Amino acid sequence: SSELTQDPAVSVALGQTVRITCQGDSLRSYYASWYQQKPGQAPVLVIYGKNNRPSGIPDRFSGSSSGNTASLTITGAQAEDEADYYCNSRDSSGNHLYVFGTGTKVTVL
Amino acid sequence: QVQLQESGPGLVKPSETLSLTCTVSGGSISSYYWSWIRQPPGKGLEWIGYIYYSGSTNYNPSLKSRVTISVDTSKNQFSLKLSSVTAADTAVYYCAGDPYCGGDCLGYWGQGTLVTVSS
Repeated sequence: SSELTQDPAVSVALGQTVRITCQGDSLRSYYASWYQQKPGQAPVLVIYGKNNRPSGIPDRFSGSSSGNTASLTITGAQAEDEADYYCNSRDSSGNHLYVFGTGTKVTVL
Repeated sequence: QVQLQESGPGLVKPSETLSLTCTVSGGSISSYYWSWIRQPPGKGLEWIGYIYYSGSTNYNPSLKSRVTISVDTSKNQFSLKLSSVTAADTAVYYCAGDPYCGGDCLGYWGQGTLVTVSS
């Protein structure tokens, strides 16, 4: 079973703000990275580290972390942000293994 | 711009070994961590394992007894072998690389290749 838990689905009105959360014990020690996946496409890294965006990722995507919860926030959601989002981090074993979250489907209304 | 491309058979028989290769272009494989991830149809992502360019590896404990990841720096390729496959191993398999985070994120992804396990 996955050690990183996400809400299965969230919805957001066009132009509004949505927060996607990822919970797991390992997040007390390690940052999460976040991936956007659209149907039929490979995942795309949108946030890594404390709150870093790869080149080309809009600044409406931001990341944060508190305790055992990491969050991805989309401020001013656009229609093209409708996708599945996955968090990823090290697992809680301390052995440099990784695990993906269960995924969140974001619907932009 | 670094690009990754998976290659290998799209159909594997049960109990046989799945073999995939990822070719890295536009950059050298002799740096960074290189990973394999899979996604069963309609389901979420599963981390399979990684290899550092030096050859050190780490695998998902649930697959560790069946997985081998290797690297060929002369060809700028890394490979996945998964033995004793069953229908549960049917998935889109992605190769990915980490240019930013020392293994803790995946900034480069291949397009993915569907592998079906069936007789």
